[in-house]
Amino acid sequence: QSALTQPASVSGSPGQSITISCTGTSSDVGGYNYVSWYQQHPGKAPKLMIYDVSNRPSGVSNRFSGSKSGNTASLTISGLQAEDESDYYCSSYTSSYTWVFGGGTKLTVL
Amino acid sequence: QVQLVESGGGVVQPGRSLRLSCAASGFTFSNYAMHWVRQAPGKGLQWVAIIWYDGSNKYYADSVKGRFTISRDNSKNTLYLQMNSLRAEDTAVYYCARLSTNPLTGYLEYYMDVWGKGTTVTVSS
Repeated sequence: QSALTQPASVSGSPGQSITISCTGTSSDVGGYNYVSWYQQHPGKAPKLMIYDVSNRPSGVSNRFSGSKSGNTASLTISGLQAEDESDYYCSSYTSSYTWVFGGGTKLTVL
Repeated sequence: QVQLVESGGGVVQPGRSLRLSCAASGFTFSNYAMHWVRQAPGKGLQWVAIIWYDGSNKYYADSVKGRFTISRDNSKNTLYLQMNSLRAEDTAVYYCARLSTNPLTGYLEYYMDVWGKGTTVTVSS
């Protein structure tokens, strides 16, 4: 149950696009289309942003999108806004009803 | 509205026990599987355990297997986490989270769609 690998930090200017990667193995990210992404502001609970690789829950901006290729999933945020500055975590179902999270990525909007 | 509220955190000595609770409201608790997820200070999220909607199945992360027990009381709309033999590395904010269910089929989904605000557990002598 090793954590998924995410970059520690990414940054971008308002209006730009950024992509956060999430690398796992064929036992988790690569083996299932069950990758989800969560946004967490400091001191707050995580919020679901993307589920099943590329689906957005109701109420989440369409500036957020997800994709996957092989063992790596990605979260892309387009048209960056100041309010997007936050920590982002990926998660994947692994097997036998266990889940694994990434180490988290701090997004800074310059 | 849909809400999860954790309680029971505190400061506990290594080797001792603690029980966390998660009170659910605004949805039919007995229809949903539930998770515990934790976050050590300054660290990322770590999945801890899951329990089926009826309590029939339970699964744990290797790091807590044999020490932690997840349970639920559907009559009280409450989820629990019994933590025994606590270690310093169990220090974290503990969140309960709902596993989504497809409203059309009733099948379990694979993501957490509702989270509580967390309760803090500190293991220290």
